[in-house]
Amino acid sequence: EPEVTQTPSHQVTQMGQEVILRCVPISNHLYFYWYRQILGQKVEFLVSFYNNEISEKSEIFDDQFSVERPDGSNFTLKIRSTKLEDSAMYFCASTESLAGGVTDTQYFGPGTRLTVL
Amino acid sequence: AQSVTQPDIHITVSEGASLELRCNYSYGATPYLFWYVQSPGQGLQLLLKYFSGDTLVQGIKGFEAEFKRSQSSFNLRKPSVHWSDAAEYFCAVGPFGNEKLTFGTGTRLTIIP
Repeated sequence: EPEVTQTPSHQVTQMGQEVILRCVPISNHLYFYWYRQILGQKVEFLVSFYNNEISEKSEIFDDQFSVERPDGSNFTLKIRSTKLEDSAMYFCASTESLAGGVTDTQYFGPGTRLTVL
Repeated sequence: AQSVTQPDIHITVSEGASLELRCNYSYGATPYLFWYVQSPGQGLQLLLKYFSGDTLVQGIKGFEAEFKRSQSSFNLRKPSVHWSDAAEYFCAVGPFGNEKLTFGTGTRLTIIP
């Protein structure tokens, strides 16, 4: 069964450093998402991406964050200058369509745990 | 704004017993409702979803959920739990087209022998 993959599974970085989290969505999917989950808190939407542009973003997704689909398979989240409060589990998700129905289920990857020291 | 409340942070159930996990939502229009499960070290796996039609939906692993519009609820049930059901369960709501899911805080399920 196709699945969303994410690398690395755990990333440790120093405050102020740039990090890039990588995701490979399911191959025929067109819509891509990033969510995060701070330890002990709820999963929060960060951004959605379609047709090579951001379609929606939350207020968490400020100028320090950016997303990119650099090629036909990868979808990345970059944090330019990490802060302590960016420590969280970051989930990538993808969906085939937004037609409303069976095909627009979001499939999630296993997550990348980001630790900022 | 849409929101989801899962009032139970942690539930402990004996293996073989029935289970009900509560979920209440707030959403202005007809919601799309989901239950996801997260096992340790794993991603979020979809258990079931409600878009329209029959308010009792069947999912994987023997789970079902019932949409009750009058109570703004979408509770998850299983008649007999197995030790492998121990995990974190998340209820989520989304608009048409499934953009921007809003999740609840999750319910951690522990199974005792």
